[in-house]
Amino acid sequence: DAKTTQPPSMDCAEGRAANLPCNHSTISGNEYVYWYRQIHSQGPQYIIHGLKNNETNEMASLIITEDRKSSTLILPHATLRDTAVYYCIVRLSHYGGSQGNLIFGKGTKLSVKP
Amino acid sequence: KAGVTQTPRYLIKTRGQQVTLSCSPISGHRSVSWYQQTPGQGLQFLFEYFSETQRNKGNFPGRFSGRQFSNSRSEMNVSTLELGDSALYLCASRVAQSTDTQYFGPGTRLTVL
Repeated sequence: DAKTTQPPSMDCAEGRAANLPCNHSTISGNEYVYWYRQIHSQGPQYIIHGLKNNETNEMASLIITEDRKSSTLILPHATLRDTAVYYCIVRLSHYGGSQGNLIFGKGTKLSVKP
Repeated sequence: KAGVTQTPRYLIKTRGQQVTLSCSPISGHRSVSWYQQTPGQGLQFLFEYFSETQRNKGNFPGRFSGRQFSNSRSEMNVSTLELGDSALYLCASRVAQSTDTQYFGPGTRLTVL
């Protein structure tokens, strides 16, 4: 089973920031938080990942709480093309290699509206 | 750098037939994982291959199998197709080091009639 809990759906106005929450209260110390999104019937697209510190890249920012039990993905200026299902995944990573089996939950369906 | 490619993109088969799907990973990536996505079960892990060896396996029957070649390309095979095997089959590749990221291909849409 997935170790994360996400709201099933969210709406966001175009041009505004989209803040997608994720709860991962049972995360362990060597588990990373990964975010992917899937636009209808396409392959999931990697967005960002982090362990403890906040992360930012050209697509999004990831805010992880100090106790690491929850995180928020921020799309700073949502566009219609950001409409997708967003998946938050915790993934074990350790010296010698991580596992190649991502466990997907149901994700959050984000609808960006004009 | 070219992304993960999967062929064919669409496939229609009938019950009882078998099917082979192909995946070419990103250049330099040594691990290939396969996933099945259906409306009812969502995205589920099938198996992972690294250095031509199966490393991990999900909870799927033995009708689902795979292999990896020396150039890291991978194939998965489904024998004796059932209606419930209709799904989007996704392939993902990674370098296969600690903290590396999986990148997904566009998928193969399999319809079983």
